[in-house]
Amino acid sequence: AQSVTQPDIHITVSEGASLELRCNYSYGATPYLFWYVQSPGQGLQLLLKYFSGDTLVQGIKGFEAEFKRSQSSFNLRKPSVHWSDAAEYFCAVVLRASGTYKYIFGTGTRLKVLA
Amino acid sequence: GAVVSQHPSWVICKSGTSVKIECRSLDFQATTMFWYRQFPKQSLMLMATSNEGSKATYEQGVEKDKFLINHASLTLSTLTVTSAHPEDSSFYICSARDQPGQPNQPQHFGDGTRLSIL
Repeated sequence: AQSVTQPDIHITVSEGASLELRCNYSYGATPYLFWYVQSPGQGLQLLLKYFSGDTLVQGIKGFEAEFKRSQSSFNLRKPSVHWSDAAEYFCAVVLRASGTYKYIFGTGTRLKVLA
Repeated sequence: GAVVSQHPSWVICKSGTSVKIECRSLDFQATTMFWYRQFPKQSLMLMATSNEGSKATYEQGVEKDKFLINHASLTLSTLTVTSAHPEDSSFYICSARDQPGQPNQPQHFGDGTRLSIL
C-alpha cells in the first residue's frame, strides 16, 4: 500500500542554520509529491511539488526539495532558517482511488527555531 | 492564486447540537472538495471526498450519518457534524483542487475550523 513516512517528529535548529526534513514514500509508479507547511491553527500552504523533470525543485520561502528515486525520498531543504519558519511540515503523495486523486500525508515534522 | 475560504474559523457548542462548516472556492470552480480531520499534533486524516451534484465518498471508518456532506454548487461544500459530542472536537480542514483530473495540481486548503463541543 502507498504510504509516506516522515521519520522526524520534531526538529530544532538555530536561526541561520541549514535545515533538512526527511520524507520517504512507498509507491509503485512515479509519484506526485508535495510539501506543505502549516502554522498553528491554520490550514496548509503549498511549498513545492514534484511530478517529473528536474529532480531538484524550488519552492517558496527559499525552500527546495530533491527527488531521489533510488532512495524513495523527497527531502525538503533550506540553507538558512528564519525564525518565521517554525511550523509543522507535511509531505504528501498523490493516490488515485475511487476515480479521484487524493493525498496521503506523512505524520508531519514540527520545526522549532532557536533565536 | 486559488483561494479556499472556510467558515467559521472557531465554533463552540453544546453537546447534542449540530454544527455546519462551510468551504468555498473563491476564484475557481471546484467539482471536488476534500474534508480532513486533524487531531492535536497529528497529521491530516481524510474523512471524505465531496463531489458536486452527487454523494460524497467517505473513507473507511467515517460515519456518513454523523458527518453529512453537501456539495450543492461548484463553489460550496458543507460539512455538518450532527448531534455533536465532545469526542467530535477537532480541527476540520477542507481543500479543493481547481483541476481535479490533474494529479500534479495541488490541493488548496482552507484555514480550518476548530470545533469544541462542551
